[in-house]
Amino acid sequence: GQQVMQIPQYQHVQEGEDFTTYCNSSTTLSNIQWYKQRPGGHPVFLIQLVKSGEVKKQKRLTFQFGEAKKNSSLHITATQTTDVGTYFCAGLQETSYDKVIFGPGTSLSVIP
Amino acid sequence: DAGVIQSPRHEVTEMGQEVTLRCKPISGHNSLFWYRQTMMRGLELLIYFNNNVPIDDSGMPEDRFSAKMPNASFSTLKIQPSEPRDSAVYFCASSLVSLQGGSNQPQHFGDGTRLSIL
Repeated sequence: GQQVMQIPQYQHVQEGEDFTTYCNSSTTLSNIQWYKQRPGGHPVFLIQLVKSGEVKKQKRLTFQFGEAKKNSSLHITATQTTDVGTYFCAGLQETSYDKVIFGPGTSLSVIP
Repeated sequence: DAGVIQSPRHEVTEMGQEVTLRCKPISGHNSLFWYRQTMMRGLELLIYFNNNVPIDDSGMPEDRFSAKMPNASFSTLKIQPSEPRDSAVYFCASSLVSLQGGSNQPQHFGDGTRLSIL
């Protein structure tokens, strides 16, 4: 079956440093979504990427979708303590129209 | 607008007891998802419904788990009998899924039910 992997599992950074998490799928995706879950909270949608090679930005966050539509990345520039949480990617397989597969997430800690 | 509403927020019960978790999706959404989250296994999809019909229940751990969606505004996840290993946070999420072109809208999650089985 389809698998979605993320690396790293954990990342500790000093406030102000950059952070990147990578998402890889075993199969080609129709689209990919990114979610953020704060400690004790629930996953909250951040963005969706649909096109091959697509790049989207949200303030200090940059999201990329690979050319082959099998991988994606999230980059945070100059992390802040408000960035703390777990970042999940979720991929929609090309053969499905509704079932997204969540990656295991990358947990980000920011040291003030 | 009201988001996805789950109840109860917390549940503590003894093993062997029946547990029922409830979810009210966002009005107008046609897909509903039940997830279980633990430190060890992460976020697991248990089952999802489209237009109140169960589409994929391959993630349901075993026969002790069952889910229903009697109408577009309500779903339940039941565990009977419950076991300590069922302790987790259970999330319900809803979305609007288009059947054309493989497009789907984001999933909106409820606050979750924190379940502890003693």
